Amino acid sequence: GAGVSQSPRYKVAKRGQDVALRCDPISGHVSLFWYQQALGQGPEFLTYFQNEAQLDKSGLPSDRFFAERPEGSVSTLKIQRTQQEDSAVYLCASSLVPGQGNQETQYFGPGTRLLVL
Amino acid sequence: GNSVTQMEGPVTLSEEAFLTINCTYTATGYPSLFWYVQYPGEGLQLLLKATKADDKGSNKGFEATYRKETTSFHLEKGSVQVSDSAVYFCALSVTGGGADGLTFGKGTHLIIQP
Repeated sequence: GAGVSQSPRYKVAKRGQDVALRCDPISGHVSLFWYQQALGQGPEFLTYFQNEAQLDKSGLPSDRFFAERPEGSVSTLKIQRTQQEDSAVYLCASSLVPGQGNQETQYFGPGTRLLVL
Repeated sequence: GNSVTQMEGPVTLSEEAFLTINCTYTATGYPSLFWYVQYPGEGLQLLLKATKADDKGSNKGFEATYRKETTSFHLEKGSVQVSDSAVYFCALSVTGGGADGLTFGKGTHLIIQP
């Protein structure tokens, strides 16, 4: 497809369960970002990849959150032992050019809405 | 640190009214500024951007000017339509010193009534 895709679109998990969220960026895009958007709030940065390298993970809220992009395209965000406060929409974005991130447009996927019961 | 403050909503206007959504920022570096829009049931889309002081971004009748002296990037449109109803997010990105990730405001829900 032409845009960023994410799956699943909706995920309900029981507290303590592990979840994996997938992002397929736009083909050829070097940079990939994950954001967390709580209800009624703006997205908050989680982590950034340039190709397969995770250059910044300063926004990950705890060591239960882990992201990877092993082949420099598809990325997976994994949350271990989910808690209720993890309930949010998880957004993935990609952009074409590395090293110019502050000017380059990020293209967002539709998000995965995670509900932890 | 970096932060973005935008006016809280919801903002309710009649069709053809003039729109202003205020946005101010603080940044440790020299940021680029963005407005993103989220239409009902859809993902975030870039509306416009400006990468240096006094630049004006424009798209779909919307405009915003990068004002370094007032650290602002207010969004304006001269005549809104019902189809402009959406949530609008102001955001910034700063090169270097860490992430190139965007810092977003909380969003302003705009409702246009016919």
